Amino acid sequence: EDQVTQSPEALRLQEGESSSLNCSYTVSGLRGLFWYRQDPGKGPEFLFTLYSAGEEKEKERLKATLTKKESFLHITAPKPEDSATYLCAVRIYNYGQNFVFGPGTRLSVLP
Amino acid sequence: GAVVSQHPSRVICKSGTSVKIECRSLDFQATTMFWYRQFPKQSLMLMATSNEGSKATYEQGVEKDKFLINHASLTLSTLTVTSAHPEDSSFYICSARDRVSTDTQYFGPGTRLTVL
Repeated sequence: EDQVTQSPEALRLQEGESSSLNCSYTVSGLRGLFWYRQDPGKGPEFLFTLYSAGEEKEKERLKATLTKKESFLHITAPKPEDSATYLCAVRIYNYGQNFVFGPGTRLSVLP
Repeated sequence: GAVVSQHPSRVICKSGTSVKIECRSLDFQATTMFWYRQFPKQSLMLMATSNEGSKATYEQGVEKDKFLINHASLTLSTLTVTSAHPEDSSFYICSARDRVSTDTQYFGPGTRLTVL
């Protein structure tokens, strides 16, 4: 069964304390892995797309990496405005155009 | 670029009435749009996929007669919740797949529906 999990479920960091979020997947044929940020009461905001193992993408304090089994979202020196829920999603070859979403990681960055 | 809008952002209605939610891709053409439902502190649940000019494909357990989806153009899809009941209260989010960049979905800001 195709499955996407994320860990930890929730993470509290002090401002400036770097850390990583994990997205693990067991799917039959990865077509792409996507990271989104979602603020409360809003729709997800697109961050990155990764397609193949070894690929990395960066944007400001965020860096996403991909292996054959998981992806990491590294947050360097986070600020309170980085507080949000981070969602990963995968697109699978035998699942048409749809995404399979992970449950998300709720990140809180304290000043 | 890649902006998706939804209207209304919030709606409160009485039980038994119908509510229409619009989803528009503002600066790109979307051959495919998706409708999701999200409960508090939970991830997104896909309800249906709609392709421009054709019937929507509904996920298992989603009533197609209750959640009517129309995708009449490359920039507009609508979700109509018919005969709404309190259990339909939720956060509804649409997304659109860029016709050119065929993988990434761009999400709208969501619509909070409350049925009294």
